[in-house]
Amino acid sequence: SQTIHQWPATLVQPVGSPLSLECTVEGTSNPNLYWYRQAAGRGLQLLFYSVGIGQISSEVPQNLSASRPQDRQFILSSKKLLLSDSGFYLCAWISPGQGAGANVLTFGAGSRLTVL
Amino acid sequence: GESVGLHLPTLSVQEGDNSIINCAYSNSASDYFIWYKQESGKGPQFIIDIRSNMDKRQGQRVTVLLNKTVKHLSLQIAATQPGDSAVYFCAPSGSARQLTFGSGTQLTVLP
Repeated sequence: SQTIHQWPATLVQPVGSPLSLECTVEGTSNPNLYWYRQAAGRGLQLLFYSVGIGQISSEVPQNLSASRPQDRQFILSSKKLLLSDSGFYLCAWISPGQGAGANVLTFGAGSRLTVL
Repeated sequence: GESVGLHLPTLSVQEGDNSIINCAYSNSASDYFIWYKQESGKGPQFIIDIRSNMDKRQGQRVTVLLNKTVKHLSLQIAATQPGDSAVYFCAPSGSARQLTFGSGTQLTVLP
């Protein structure tokens, strides 16, 4: 079965510090991978998506970056965090080519980031 | 781009009553619609989906209705239970990239 893991689950970071959130998927190959951010009481904002190793598309200009060093690994990073980077970060994947239901995202449990 | 909204940010219902959560969308080219449920502190989970060539689809205690004429869909939950308390999102989709989420409706089930 397919599973998705995100870590860390929670973290508190000072302004200006670096960030690294990791996401891994098991039980599937060549998934489309996504990073979303959710501010408190708000919807999900798509940050990055990747259709393959080394292929990253950015949806929103910001001080965040993403990388996909392996097929089933997706990393969200920042060199210097801002207060506005606080939020709930969600990794998700879609297994391509499934026909009906191909666009159903499977989400990880999320990483809650607080920047102080 | 796609605009997605829900009619009410919060909804409170008595346990055992039926719940109706509404969603409006703007892109008439959307051919696939998904409802997600997000419990507090967790990631969203798939509930039910419907394709644009359908106007109704039923699952276990849930029914989704799609009205393409007015670009509106609704999620109906029968006999609402405490475990149904969560934020509900609709996500119209034209492609895997174009998954757009509104701000969601917080459903609270009252004892």
